[in-house]
Amino acid sequence: DAGVIQSPRHEVTEMGQEVTLRCKPISGHDYLFWYRQTMMRGLELLIYFNNNVPIDDSGMPEDRFSAKMPNASFSTLKIQPSEPRDSAVYFCASSRNRANQPQHFGDGTRLSIL
Amino acid sequence: AQSVAQPEDQVNVAEGNPLTVKCTYSVSGNPYLFWYVQYPNRGLQFLLKYITGDNLVKGSYGFEAEFNKSQTSFHLKKPSALVSDSALYFCAVRVPGAGSYQLTFGKGTKLSVIP
Repeated sequence: DAGVIQSPRHEVTEMGQEVTLRCKPISGHDYLFWYRQTMMRGLELLIYFNNNVPIDDSGMPEDRFSAKMPNASFSTLKIQPSEPRDSAVYFCASSRNRANQPQHFGDGTRLSIL
Repeated sequence: AQSVAQPEDQVNVAEGNPLTVKCTYSVSGNPYLFWYVQYPNRGLQFLLKYITGDNLVKGSYGFEAEFNKSQTSFHLKKPSALVSDSALYFCAVRVPGAGSYQLTFGKGTKLSVIP
């Protein structure tokens, strides 16, 4: 089975531009998570979905960040407008609807805001 | 609130020697515990988990971990380290029935295996 697929793998853009990160979870997984990883803050949970519905977005840093999951096989994380401090690696993960199941991570999008 | 501590930012070990990466946790209730490994420019990869039963769990790449309820620890171990084990290791905890499927991660431990 294919793993979690994220695109693009790398994104470099200028401050103020809109950035859209994409994620395709593993088929059959009911939960989808968006994380951000930086050297300073480590791994932070931004938001997660269950059956395409956002459950907890308390980790979203500002209103500039938004996430959607229009169907079971696709999710986006959008930053508008982007700022240099948003530079980080953004990961998507998915898991089955069982508390004893691990999350499976994509390889991330490395975002650089100039 | 649940939390995970990885007390060592970095662990250095010689190739062929046993390795231990430490993890302690704080939760209300019985935890589910996980170890992940992250190689450069890659996502986190699941290594092993403790759910219930035998306190010693075995996982991928020859790794194992021991759950110790009295010490609230879940240390990752391997009898003989390989240079290819050099990576960033994360411990994570979840409390079942707490109404949330999110994991709480430690800050990570960088393991360097020296040839």
